[in-house]
Amino acid sequence: GAVVSQHPSWVICKSGTSVKIECRSLDFQATTMFWYRQFPKQSLMLMATSNEGSKATYEQGVEKDKFLINHASLTLSTLTVTSAHPEDSSFYICSARGVFPQETQYFGPGTRLLVL
Amino acid sequence: AQTVTQSQPEMSVQEAETVTLSCTYDTSESDYYLFWYKQPPSRQMILVIRQEAYKQQNATENRFSVNFQKAAKSFSLKISDSQLGDAAMYFCAYDGNAGNMLTFGGGTRLMVKP
Repeated sequence: GAVVSQHPSWVICKSGTSVKIECRSLDFQATTMFWYRQFPKQSLMLMATSNEGSKATYEQGVEKDKFLINHASLTLSTLTVTSAHPEDSSFYICSARGVFPQETQYFGPGTRLLVL
Repeated sequence: AQTVTQSQPEMSVQEAETVTLSCTYDTSESDYYLFWYKQPPSRQMILVIRQEAYKQQNATENRFSVNFQKAAKSFSLKISDSQLGDAAMYFCAYDGNAGNMLTFGGGTRLMVKP
């Protein structure tokens, strides 16, 4: 149980285009989903927290107009990187937390984004 | 704000031996949860073990166990009978009441020697 999928796993795009990443909880309802960014050999950096049906809460320094988050259902959250630039190239990871155990986050496999 | 510190950037262990990874944290909360996550080369974050702060008993999961010292704010992970598949980055994480978000340590890279 507690499986989280993420799609796509790899994406290469041209500078200026937008990229959408999907995060799904497959066998549980996720009341809260989180989006992280991870640079090589570093820890995870929380970008935003999203609750189903409400606006995402962004961490300081994260541009909400740049990283659009939608949490339309209890099993799906999407992150859209708008007008991507090479500095947006990174590893993006989502996690989901359900009702029980409420305090445990389960992670998706991540998405590697390369912006040319 | 809570902080989590992993003082060992890298550790190595011989296969079948035991290794302990250190983690300390700083908080003023009394109720919280602590986690160890493993990130192998695939970069998939895998939950290894979790500990509720109100429980005095140390959590165990097969070869993985923790030494939770609440007063000292210490939460170390012991891996017994180390296997090659245990080689990974290990992250200690804290989840308190404020915001219900995870605060991660900087990670420890564990190498397992055959």
